[in-house]
Amino acid sequence: EVQLVESGGGLIQPGGSLRLSCAASGFSFDDYAMHWVRQAPGKGLEWVSGFNGNGDSKDYADSVKGRFFISRDNAKKSLYLQMNSLRAEDTALYYCARQLHVIMPKYTYYYGLSVWGQGTTVAVSS
Amino acid sequence: DIQMTQSPSSLSASVGDRVTITCRASQSVNSHLNWYQQEPGKAPKLLIYAASNLQNGVPSRFRGSGSGTDFTLTITYLQPEDFATYYCQQSFSTPYTFGQGTKLEIK
Repeated sequence: EVQLVESGGGLIQPGGSLRLSCAASGFSFDDYAMHWVRQAPGKGLEWVSGFNGNGDSKDYADSVKGRFFISRDNAKKSLYLQMNSLRAEDTALYYCARQLHVIMPKYTYYYGLSVWGQGTTVAVSS
Repeated sequence: DIQMTQSPSSLSASVGDRVTITCRASQSVNSHLNWYQQEPGKAPKLLIYAASNLQNGVPSRFRGSGSGTDFTLTITYLQPEDFATYYCQQSFSTPYTFGQGTKLEIK
């Protein structure tokens, strides 16, 4: 069964750091682009960060750039999000997600996020 | 960054109705537009990718259309399990921005 399981969330004071983990199982992890998406309480979805399909490029939302850092360990089939200088507005449920891709003869196309974990909650408060 | 604007932000309908949700991108995303359904307390579920392709296991009453900057999600013959929040998202370029969501409620 294809599965993503997030962990590492918790209550942290403003300015603190947390490292989220996402453990993948049931698929060839290194074949997939992986992303983090968050959802503040009662709010919509916000893409936070992700790797491209080759795993050699990463990007961040402006709201977290310079504070959050994404990484992956293909041998451990895991995705990580190091979150530094946390702010109250970072309070959210953080999801790990796998991106759908379609392999064509000349190019691979990347589409939506087809597999999601259950999320891990981060609360930033004093 | 590409901005995604959904309308309406909420919608009331009855079982058996047909509803349409629209999504507009601030610049062309070609066909790199996805639709998600989110039920309360659950992770989002991919319904439609590449504007009009039904994800595996999604009922055929869900239909996506559009290209460039204007897209629609149509749900025909609404079922009780369809009352949820729907999001569009562009995957043309990072950051992969989402629309603000459309909450579909039972009338």
